[in-house]
Amino acid sequence: SQTIHQWPATLVQPVGSPLSLECTVEGTSNPNLYWYRQAAGRGLQLLFYSVGIGQISSEVPQNLSASRPQDRQFILSSKKLLLSDSGFYLCAWSISADYEQYFGPGTRLTVT
Amino acid sequence: SQQGEEDPQALSIQEGENATMNCSYKTSINNLQWYRQNSGRGLVHLILIRSNEREKHSGRLRVTLDTSKKSSSLLITASRAADTASYFCATDRNDMRFGAGTRLTVKP
Repeated sequence: SQTIHQWPATLVQPVGSPLSLECTVEGTSNPNLYWYRQAAGRGLQLLFYSVGIGQISSEVPQNLSASRPQDRQFILSSKKLLLSDSGFYLCAWSISADYEQYFGPGTRLTVT
Repeated sequence: SQQGEEDPQALSIQEGENATMNCSYKTSINNLQWYRQNSGRGLVHLILIRSNEREKHSGRLRVTLDTSKKSSSLLITASRAADTASYFCATDRNDMRFGAGTRLTVKP
């Protein structure tokens, strides 16, 4: 069966510090991968999606970036965090755009 | 812009009652999906309905889709306290977009 892992579960970082969140998927090949951010009490905002290694589509211009160095690994990064980067970050995978997405447990990021 | 928009934003009912949530979208779709999120957790996929389907059931869940009105509804029958969560709809496409969700509270 397929599983998706995200870490860390919680993170507190100062403004201006770098960020690296990792997401890995097991049990499937060539998945579509997604990064979302959810502000407190709000819906999900799609940040990036990837249909293959090295292929990243960005939905929202900002100081975040994503990379997919391996088929089942998706990394969300920032060189310098802003206060507004605080939120709940969710990684998800799907077989393709026509199928449901499966979400990881999320990372709660607080930028202080 | 957000593709899925749920209403109401919040819904509070007693255990045993039915809960109905609605979702509207803007462009043509291949499918529409409903997800559930417990507080501070990841989303769990509930049900997917394709554009050529009008109604789908899964346990106590019933989803309808009206492509002419670009709307969908999620009905939870005989609600339980454990159904308390936020419910989101989303449409297909790689840039799947979610609404802000309906926060359902089921009081025991």
